[in-house]
Amino acid sequence: DAGVTQTPRHEVAEKGQTIILKCEPVSGHNDLFWYRQTKIQGLELLSYFRSKSLMEDGGAFKDRFKAEMLNSSFSTLKIQPTEPKDSAVYLCASSLARVGEQYFGPGTRLTVL
Amino acid sequence: QQKVQQSPESLIVPEGGMASLNCTSSDRNVDYFWWYRQHSGKSPKMLMSIFSNGEKEEGRFTVHLNKASLHTSLHIRDSQPSDSALYLCAASTNTGKLTFGDGTVLTVKP
Repeated sequence: DAGVTQTPRHEVAEKGQTIILKCEPVSGHNDLFWYRQTKIQGLELLSYFRSKSLMEDGGAFKDRFKAEMLNSSFSTLKIQPTEPKDSAVYLCASSLARVGEQYFGPGTRLTVL
Repeated sequence: QQKVQQSPESLIVPEGGMASLNCTSSDRNVDYFWWYRQHSGKSPKMLMSIFSNGEKEEGRFTVHLNKASLHTSLHIRDSQPSDSALYLCAASTNTGKLTFGDGTVLTVKP
């Protein structure tokens, strides 16, 4: 079975650009999560979907970050406009059950110049 | 406001030794604890979960949970160089949302 897939694996953007990251969860999983990981802040939750409904939009990340779940097997994370402090690894994860193991994708490493 | 605290930040153990990692949540609503392992350049992968008071063992790995103090610990016996990684503790309520700690970097020296 395919795990969580994320594209692109690497992205370089200029400050002020709009970038879109993509995620395909494990087939049949109901919950989808977007995280950001940096050495300083660790792993931070950006958005959380259950059965395509947005459950949490990440509070402090609301203004420039927008996650959408277009269907049960595809999600996007848009960052608009990008800033250098957005440089990080963006991880997507999915889970079968509400209280269940989260399976992480390989991540997208974003560098904003 | 950090709700999951892990200690130590880093740990070096000799090959064959015992590694002990700690994690405490400050959120009294949490019911579930998870340990994830992340090798360098890779994404996190669940190692073990524990939901009830007591102890759970899987091979060389043992987790303990004290729900009254919201404290969990992970113990790795007979540590191997391949165990060198970032160990992340996470806690959740029944909403499914995980709150992660900052992690413990474990280095196993051959």
